[in-house]
Amino acid sequence: EPEVTQTPSHQVTQMGQEVILRCVPISNHLYFYWYRQILGQKVEFLVSFYNNEISEKSEIFDDQFSVERPDGSNFTLKIRSTKLEDSAMYFCASPSPAGTTDTQYFGPGTRLTVL
Amino acid sequence: RKEVEQDPGPFNVPEGATVAFNCTYSNSASQSFFWYRQDCRKEPKLLMSVYSSGNEDGRFTAQLNRASQYISLLIRDSKLSDSATYLCVVNKGYSTLTFGKGTMLLVSP
Repeated sequence: EPEVTQTPSHQVTQMGQEVILRCVPISNHLYFYWYRQILGQKVEFLVSFYNNEISEKSEIFDDQFSVERPDGSNFTLKIRSTKLEDSAMYFCASPSPAGTTDTQYFGPGTRLTVL
Repeated sequence: RKEVEQDPGPFNVPEGATVAFNCTYSNSASQSFFWYRQDCRKEPKLLMSVYSSGNEDGRFTAQLNRASQYISLLIRDSKLSDSATYLCVVNKGYSTLTFGKGTMLLVSP
């Protein structure tokens, strides 16, 4: 299975602080996604990123969220001022390396705990 | 109606049993369908894609009925290692995935 990597594996922060979650997707692919999963709930779509632009975002992805591609291989999800309800697993996902399907492969996730 | 709805579970079965999971989806524009498996506090992992003609991968068989907007997964000869949460997932093309809440399977010796 293609590999997507994420760092850190666990991030603990105080409410109101900024956090940056990082992902290295499958190489040579222009599509990229972020999802989150609150403990005990379903996986929810946050944002998709295509060719250095946001292509779609959910209502969860409000003004406190941003996504960037600081260099050719890394993507980041920034939460500007964390709230308690931002505590969740955050997954990035990449489509199949073949580029001909819409299958998505998920990274191991970052567990964000907001205190 | 929820976008993707699954049996609430959990399903408790003995080793060797056959277990079936059901899923319905509300968006008739959905184009691609998948079953993912998720172990506790881990990422979703693709189990198999689901096609209208039905497809099989070893002990796993998936079926899709577009007219009924219904997807199923059958696991034969359950193993202890099959214990996990099974996620029904749909995709409106080269776009976002919509997940069901998942059905937990517990296989006991």
